[in-house]
Amino acid sequence: QKEVEQNSGPLSVPEGAIASLNCTYSDRGSQSFFWYRQYSGKSPELIMFIYSNGDKEDGRFTAQLNKASQYVSLLIRDSQPSDSATYLCAVQGSARQLTFGSGTQLTVLP
Amino acid sequence: DGGITQSPKYLFRKEGQNVTLSCEQNLNHDAMYWYRQDPGQGLRLIYYSQIVNDFQKGDIAEGYSVSREKKESFPLTVTSAQKNPTAFYLCASSTFTGAETQYFGPGTRLLVL
Repeated sequence: QKEVEQNSGPLSVPEGAIASLNCTYSDRGSQSFFWYRQYSGKSPELIMFIYSNGDKEDGRFTAQLNKASQYVSLLIRDSQPSDSATYLCAVQGSARQLTFGSGTQLTVLP
Repeated sequence: DGGITQSPKYLFRKEGQNVTLSCEQNLNHDAMYWYRQDPGQGLRLIYYSQIVNDFQKGDIAEGYSVSREKKESFPLTVTSAQKNPTAFYLCASSTFTGAETQYFGPGTRLLVL
């Protein structure tokens, strides 16, 4: 069973703080890793993806990947109330299909 | 505008009825996918198609059927065999080669009367 695990939250951070979202996966053959943001009642939208070990930065977002530990994270710097959403981790495994975690609900408090 | 459209936004199904959800894309993507999302849950793969006239079952295909007669279209039928169809249904597409980043349509919410 290919699994992707996320803390369901809710995670609350004050405005301007760093939000840290974590994800672990079980398939060692996983190749690509994606973070999606989903507002309530809406469809997921891609934030960023990462393939290689290390950090990848895009504006206020940083994805971190550690394949040896089977761990991927998303950091959101200078969090804003508009960042309040559910964040889905998705992993492309050896079968090339995406497996999604159940998501972490983030609330940024003004 | 390029994108993925799904219709209807809301759909009501009566007992024993088959219903069809529409998904169209004009991104020229080869691959298309159907997912189901239940409240507080992640997305579960129902069916996917990588080329026209070919599709494969995902993790929860029972009670569903699909067709892929055109590259742009990938309709999903929820049959009467699906006993718990109430969910948020999401269609996605991706280029077959490369990163296979998936982009999602706006979704259809299916409710049972």
